[in-house]
Amino acid sequence: AQSVTQLDSQVPVFEEAPVELRCNYSSSVSVYLFWYVQYPNQGLQLLLKYLSGSTLVKGINGFEAEFNKSQTSFHLRKPSVHISDTAEYFCAVSDPGNTPLVFGKGTRLSVIA
Amino acid sequence: KAGVTQTPRYLIKTRGQQVTLSCSPISGHRSVSWYQQTPGQGLQFLFEYFSETQRNKGNFPGRFSGRQFSNSRSEMNVSTLELGDSALYLCASSPVSGVNTEAFFGQGTRLTVV
Repeated sequence: AQSVTQLDSQVPVFEEAPVELRCNYSSSVSVYLFWYVQYPNQGLQLLLKYLSGSTLVKGINGFEAEFNKSQTSFHLRKPSVHISDTAEYFCAVSDPGNTPLVFGKGTRLSVIA
Repeated sequence: KAGVTQTPRYLIKTRGQQVTLSCSPISGHRSVSWYQQTPGQGLQFLFEYFSETQRNKGNFPGRFSGRQFSNSRSEMNVSTLELGDSALYLCASSPVSGVNTEAFFGQGTRLTVV
């Protein structure tokens, strides 16, 4: 079964600084990878997903992620964060073939003015 | 287009009671999945329904059950509540079954068991 490790439970960063949220998954022949964001008292919103093709995936709100098969990683990046990016971010993985999403424990991003 | 609607938003129950949570998916979506979110365990998959049939089931005891109606609305039921069932329960809907389509999440139902 797939598993996901989000290496940082909390990441504080100053406004307008770059940020990287790290995600590693257990190895598999092929995977689907996702990043979701959860604002306080809200559900999850999809930021971006990798299904196949280009390893650099661009998402909403200026986020992007790079799929690295050799390192089994899917790190999320943003070149310049805003206060409004303060939220919890979840990495998720699934095998093709209608298997459920497996989520990491989440990374709480705090943007400091 | 209305989003995924979960009712109620907040619920307080006593140990031993049972509870039913409701999820109305986005119009036209036929797949509904349920997740339990707790600080300790994170997000854990409960089950998925598609066209009134359970397609996948997570590793939860039989006290957790669900169903889907012909209009795609779904309910989940937890019987004999335990303190550890306190969590945010999230519902997600998709047009079809399978994770290669985007899942749209509701705001969740926060269940507190006392």
